[in-house]
Amino acid sequence: ILNVEQSPQSLHVQEGDSTNFTCSFPSSNFYALHWYRWETAKSPEALFVMTLNGDEKKKGRISATLNTKEGYSYLYIKGSQPEDSATYLCAPYNTDKLIFGTGTRLQVFP
Amino acid sequence: GAGVSQSPRYKVAKRGQDVALRCDPISGHVSLFWYQQALGQGPEFLTYFQNEAQLDKSGLPSDRFFAERPEGSVSTLKIQRTQQEDSAVYLCASSLGAGRNTDTQYFGPGTRLTVL
Repeated sequence: ILNVEQSPQSLHVQEGDSTNFTCSFPSSNFYALHWYRWETAKSPEALFVMTLNGDEKKKGRISATLNTKEGYSYLYIKGSQPEDSATYLCAPYNTDKLIFGTGTRLQVFP
Repeated sequence: GAGVSQSPRYKVAKRGQDVALRCDPISGHVSLFWYQQALGQGPEFLTYFQNEAQLDKSGLPSDRFFAERPEGSVSTLKIQRTQQEDSAVYLCASSLGAGRNTDTQYFGPGTRLTVL
């Protein structure tokens, strides 16, 4: 069973602050890593799918990096806005399923 | 186009009742997944269908849980004789391909089940 850890568990920042959080996963038998954003009362929304060591993806103010050799990924949000408030989940792919971490809950205050 | 839909959005059941949760995936999506999210946890895999074939049911917690996708589109997750520990959000996701590791899974809004 994969052990996926995300830190911190929760984060409170002011509007305009930049922030980042971590996803750690076993580096052996790595296939792909998925990042999702889940706003309250909505469906989880796919952000990135990352596969290659050193991969870097960007979507607006959100970016992510991947290190498959040491088993971690960072998600960065530049200039956080209140609409960024959500739980951010990472999930390595294993066999035929995603294995989710417990998420980082981000709250951005105006 | 329409995304993944789930019904009901909320379900309250008395302990011992049977419940059925429905998932309508994106049209044409081959793969369908069910996940269970308990409070304070990330979603946990329950089962996976490729078209109508249930290829992996390793995550179903007990034989009270049963899922089907008879025509390769709509899926139903049934829980018999519900217990309080079954209280959770049940998420359904679909993806276009046949279980490829880079396929994006598109999620529905979930069904929040509360067992009293």
